[in-house]
Amino acid sequence: GESVGLHLPTLSVQEGDNSIINCAYSNSASDYFIWYKQESGKGPQFIIDIRSNMDKRQGQRVTVLLNKTVKHLSLQIAATQPGDSAVYFCAERGPPYGGATNKLIFGTGTLLAVQP
Amino acid sequence: KAGVTQTPRYLIKTRGQQVTLSCSPISGHRSVSWYQQTPGQGLQFLFEYFSETQRNKGNFPGRFSGRQFSNSRSEMNVSTLELGDSALYLCASSWGQTNTGELFFGEGSRLTVL
Repeated sequence: GESVGLHLPTLSVQEGDNSIINCAYSNSASDYFIWYKQESGKGPQFIIDIRSNMDKRQGQRVTVLLNKTVKHLSLQIAATQPGDSAVYFCAERGPPYGGATNKLIFGTGTLLAVQP
Repeated sequence: KAGVTQTPRYLIKTRGQQVTLSCSPISGHRSVSWYQQTPGQGLQFLFEYFSETQRNKGNFPGRFSGRQFSNSRSEMNVSTLELGDSALYLCASSWGQTNTGELFFGEGSRLTVL
């Protein structure tokens, strides 16, 4: 089926370090990408998004980079804190491209474990 | 402002039964989407409603259905339950007129099928 791909790896970082979570997507027609964070027992929470006409976007302590040439997304978290421990998902807007839809195709997620 | 509310939070059914899950979106949001989350398949899109109309649909069998009411509240139904339907069912709402991807998710309804 459709997928934005990564197997569920675990990224373990020390508190205060920077974290980089990577994601590969499969559909070159995708025009919009999002990162979500899911804490245990909760629904996903929006972190940051980026449109395909951009290659970088910054938020508070987070930066998303988009490389359309190799169909790769990354999420950088600065000064990682214990409260950042969660599963992080990348997602792309699904078809119809250019149409009005909230359909998202999610990756399988990365577990970020922050060590104090 | 209240978030997305899903009921029930937990439920246990047996194979062959049917289940109805409810979602109340954030006030003012007109779009509701449903996702199934399992350890094996991750988060998968079920369907999306906007102004009581199904706007998009995922690759799930016809046993999975949904609807949206005039107050934007939504329900999904799964008939003839199978063991593989055990999952966390997540509802998400947004303003809906244009897609920003900023969906607001509820905490989900965890369905166990025995």
